[in-house]
Order: sequence, then structure tokens, then C-alpha cells
Amino acid sequence: QVQLQQSGPGLVKPSQTLSLTCAISGDSVSSNSGTWNWIRQSPSRGLEWLGRTYYRSKWYRDYAVSVKSRITINPDTSNNQFSLQLNSVTPEDTAVYYCAKNANWGFAYWGQGTLVSVSS
Amino acid sequence: QSALTQPPSVSGSPGQSVTISCTGTSSDVGSYNRVSWYQQPPGTAPKVMIYEVSNRPSGVPDRFSGSKSGNTASLTISGLQAEDEADYYCSSYTSSSTYVFGTGTKVSVL
Repeated sequence: QVQLQQSGPGLVKPSQTLSLTCAISGDSVSSNSGTWNWIRQSPSRGLEWLGRTYYRSKWYRDYAVSVKSRITINPDTSNNQFSLQLNSVTPEDTAVYYCAKNANWGFAYWGQGTLVSVSS
Repeated sequence: QSALTQPPSVSGSPGQSVTISCTGTSSDVGSYNRVSWYQQPPGTAPKVMIYEVSNRPSGVPDRFSGSKSGNTASLTISGLQAEDEADYYCSSYTSSSTYVFGTGTKVSVL
């Protein structure tokens, strides 16, 4: 059974970098099936897919256009986890952030969610 | 990438059927069968109910069914039950190798 455990601060100051980590159990970040995603949810923007990373003989990353200039998603094979970094945050980046695995049957596994507030 | 369009709310009495539409474009829903539907009760993470337009994961009741025509996908809940009350979201893969979610629909059981 795949389980995802998120960690990271719940408060970030404007213009700083939001950093979250998603630890994986029951699977491998280097798996040749499925992809590892970050998704956020806010009342104003609803559910918003941010990006993904996956391994198919080499590492790939795809990002949403809305955050492409500010986002980095990296795998960490040593600790079997993956991370999200979002630079230059503003109050509009305030949201619940989820990590999720997309298997053949959609976004099948989700982390517990982390409420990140952007405020001074 | 604009969000897929869903009605804000639908409602029905227990035992009735409700259908939620999810309208996209030829760059997402219209071009791929990678459309999925998610149920989200308050305060919880979304749960996949339908994947690849019309397939149910193990454990999802067969009251839930999905379909697609052109740029619009649909989720039907037959034999509505009180426990079905939640927010529902669609999602689609896109031609940009990204994903897009729907605007969300609140299902109320009268």
C-alpha cells in the first residue's frame, strides 16, 4: 500500500521560497510506473495541478504554465521522497498543498495535505 | 491552461440519479481518454472514483459511472445516497503534458 507523508512549514513570508517534502512508503520514487505530483487547492483557484517528476530511464519533469518560472520538483532517491520548491511567493500562493501519485488509475494516492499561508 | 468547466452544484433526492458535466477543449478532454473523477468530502484529500473516462477503481460502487462525448465528460451517480454528498472534480491530461482540474461541483442529497 502506497503512503505519502508530507512535511514542511505552514507559514512562508512573501517573496521567499515555499519548500515541501513528500516521503514515500510502499513504493519507489524511481519506479518505472506512475508519476509523482504536486497539487494545491484554494477557495479562489480550486484544485490546481502544479507539476510532476518521474523516471523512465532518466528523470523527467513537467510544470504548469502558471508557475513554470517559479517551481522546481526534485526526486530524492537516497531518502525515497520528492520535493516542491516555489520561489517568490505571494499571498495568492496560500493554499493546501498535496503530493500525489498518478498511477494508471488517476491520482490514486494522496498525502495528508499541508496548509501553507503566505504572510508577513 | 484554463480549468475545465463544471456546474457549481447539483442536487437530488435519495435514490435519484444526478449527472455532472465537465467541459474542456480539443487540447484536453476531447483528445485524451485520461479523464478522471474525484470525490472530496470536507477536510479530506480527493479520492479517485473514475479513471480513463469510465473505469472504476476497486472498491468504488457501481452506482458511479463515467462517459465522454467530444469535449465533455460526465459523471453519473445512480441511486443517490446520503454518503455521496461531497464535492466532485474532474481532471484531464492535456496536449502540453500537464493536467488540468475542473472547477468543482457540490453534490447535495435532499
